[in-house]
Amino acid sequence: SQQGEEDPQALSIQEGENATMNCSYKTSINNLQWYRQNSGRGLVHLILIRSNEREKHSGRLRVTLDTSKKSSSLLITASRAADTASYFCAQDGGSARQLTFGSGTQLTVLP
Amino acid sequence: KAGVTQTPRYLIKTRGQQVTLSCSPISGHRSVSWYQQTPGQGLQFLFEYFSETQRNKGNFPGRFSGRQFSNSRSEMNVSTLELGDSALYLCASSLVGTGLYEQYFGPGTRLTVT
Repeated sequence: SQQGEEDPQALSIQEGENATMNCSYKTSINNLQWYRQNSGRGLVHLILIRSNEREKHSGRLRVTLDTSKKSSSLLITASRAADTASYFCAQDGGSARQLTFGSGTQLTVLP
Repeated sequence: KAGVTQTPRYLIKTRGQQVTLSCSPISGHRSVSWYQQTPGQGLQFLFEYFSETQRNKGNFPGRFSGRQFSNSRSEMNVSTLELGDSALYLCASSLVGTGLYEQYFGPGTRLTVT
């Protein structure tokens, strides 16, 4: 399977803490994207980082990319209960419209 | 702009039947992709359509098919349903040609095969 792996599979933190999720992928990429999914609903695009970028910020989100290690991390700072969701990384390796998703991290933020 | 819409939202079918799911992309988006999500296999790419042509196909049997209409709306069809086809089917659209490759997902169709 070309599917990437995410670590940890589940993460539980208190409101206000930071949450870090890691993603490893197997093939070369054009870009890597992160998505959020609330309880069996559609995915929401969070951030896209291109293969020639090392770090990107968007609000409380910070994404890093290490292409030599084929890995990426998503940091959510000052987490809120509303951040409770599953988070997926998705690699775009060739066709921009065919994403290969990781296994996901289930984040629970406790109030 | 209205988001991606999918109909129906929920569907219960019996083994051996066939099903058709519909997806309307965001206005102006010409690329539509379909994904299957199950607890065991996660999110898996089914196929992608652009300008009424299938451009990419994932590793699924021929029972899974799709099409796209001239207004970019897309349908996917699953014939001879199996229990293992129970899943959340997600449709996503994207704006081609801008260099921005994020996909916009619909809420999904929850298919249960009994």
